[in-house]
Amino acid sequence: QSALTQPASVSGSPGQSITISCTGTSSDVGGYNYVSWYQQHPGKAPKLMIYEVSNRPSGVPDRFSGSKSGNTASLTISGLQAEDEADYYCSSYTSSSTRVVFGGGTKLTVL
Amino acid sequence: EVQLVESGGGLVQPGRSLRLSCTASGFTFGDYAMSWVRQAPGKGLEWVGFIRSKAYGGTTEYAASVKGRFTISRDDSKSIAYLQMNSLKTEDTAVYYCTRVGYCSSTSCYARAPSYYFDYWGQGTLVTVSS
Repeated sequence: QSALTQPASVSGSPGQSITISCTGTSSDVGGYNYVSWYQQHPGKAPKLMIYEVSNRPSGVPDRFSGSKSGNTASLTISGLQAEDEADYYCSSYTSSSTRVVFGGGTKLTVL
Repeated sequence: EVQLVESGGGLVQPGRSLRLSCTASGFTFGDYAMSWVRQAPGKGLEWVGFIRSKAYGGTTEYAASVKGRFTISRDDSKSIAYLQMNSLKTEDTAVYYCTRVGYCSSTSCYARAPSYYFDYWGQGTLVTVSS
């Protein structure tokens, strides 16, 4: 069981918007602005999409955005495209001895 | 171009040891913390540990699941990070990714302070622990 809770799957049609949630506690997501999001295509290494809640690395389309409210962080993808189909993982700093925790991952299907 | 290349993976028996290497290029290696993240077959990501840059003490931190068995070190002169894995268990079977730790972007952070996200990833190396 992962420390952060994500939905197992989400889906959307091309052009639509979807949101993936990532729920933790006040010891991780809710207590610190160190939430990040990663995209992973099958057989590939993960890629950073969002860091420190809402910052987007250079080269990541502005269709990807991040936010946080209380103990839940969210990744929103607007204008869905076929190439967005992938697994998405959230991550956060935690005050526990294990400094970084991941969510279980969400499989995004573009219909 | 930032590149991270892992090596050293393979098949190992339970209880034995293995050392992974991560050779970095395209950036000033000594200025960054480095981390290892693993992914068991068909499963999600799991943070293993990280090592800070010398400017931040070169200290290490580990996940509870590997603490006391795994050790991360670095050789800044060669731009290599290592993951020494001892007393391996079957549940350590995974693809091991070397990652670079990004800098903190907050104005309250010191210059080049490490954050808790991974901005570049290697291609991964598979470690299989089995008898």
